[in-house]
Amino acid sequence: QVQLVQSGAEVKKPGSSVKVSCKTSGDTFSSTAISWVRQAPGQGLEWMGRIIPVLNMAKYAQKFQGRVTITADQATSTVCMEVRGLRSEDTAIFYCARDTGDSNGNYFEGFDYWGQGSLVTVSS
Amino acid sequence: EIVMTQSPATLSVSPGERATLSCRASQSVSRKLAWYQQKPGQAPRLLIYGASTRATGIPDRFSGTGSGTEFTLTISSLQSEDFAVYYCQQDYHWWTFGQGTKVEIK
Repeated sequence: QVQLVQSGAEVKKPGSSVKVSCKTSGDTFSSTAISWVRQAPGQGLEWMGRIIPVLNMAKYAQKFQGRVTITADQATSTVCMEVRGLRSEDTAIFYCARDTGDSNGNYFEGFDYWGQGSLVTVSS
Repeated sequence: EIVMTQSPATLSVSPGERATLSCRASQSVSRKLAWYQQKPGQAPRLLIYGASTRATGIPDRFSGTGSGTEFTLTISSLQSEDFAVYYCQQDYHWWTFGQGTKVEIK
């Protein structure tokens, strides 16, 4: 059974960093990709980046390139996303989501499983 | 970046009626389009991928059509559990989402 379980809510100061984790179960870690999607309060969905854990290959949306790092730990089947240089506008719920596309995003059949979301609040 | 535009922003529909949601891409995305449903306090749920293929467990009252730049999600007979926000997503070049359409009770 596929499950994505995320870490809890965080409150951070502007300029600091946050690391959010997504623990996977089932065969997710060895055969699929994990993306991170941001949702600001009352706003829409924004794709941030993705990793194929078995290849340790990450791809980032241009907007987040250089400020976001996505990593995978095979020992714990956990994917993490770190966001640096936090600003108030980064206050959002961050979701991890699974897809079965290849390293170029081909053969994509949707984000079929999602984590429960992690709220990150950036406030002085 | 491919920009996805959804319309209308809000759709007021009575239970049992049909709902038609639109999504337009800033350039052709072929049939590389997915639809998601999101209810308050929940993660999004995949409904449709490949423009028209229903995801596992999705009722057949949900249907997707379109190709190129114009896409439609139709809910044939709205049930109480269908009132939610719906997002389209292109996967022609990585992924971008539309801003969402809220389907509310009329």
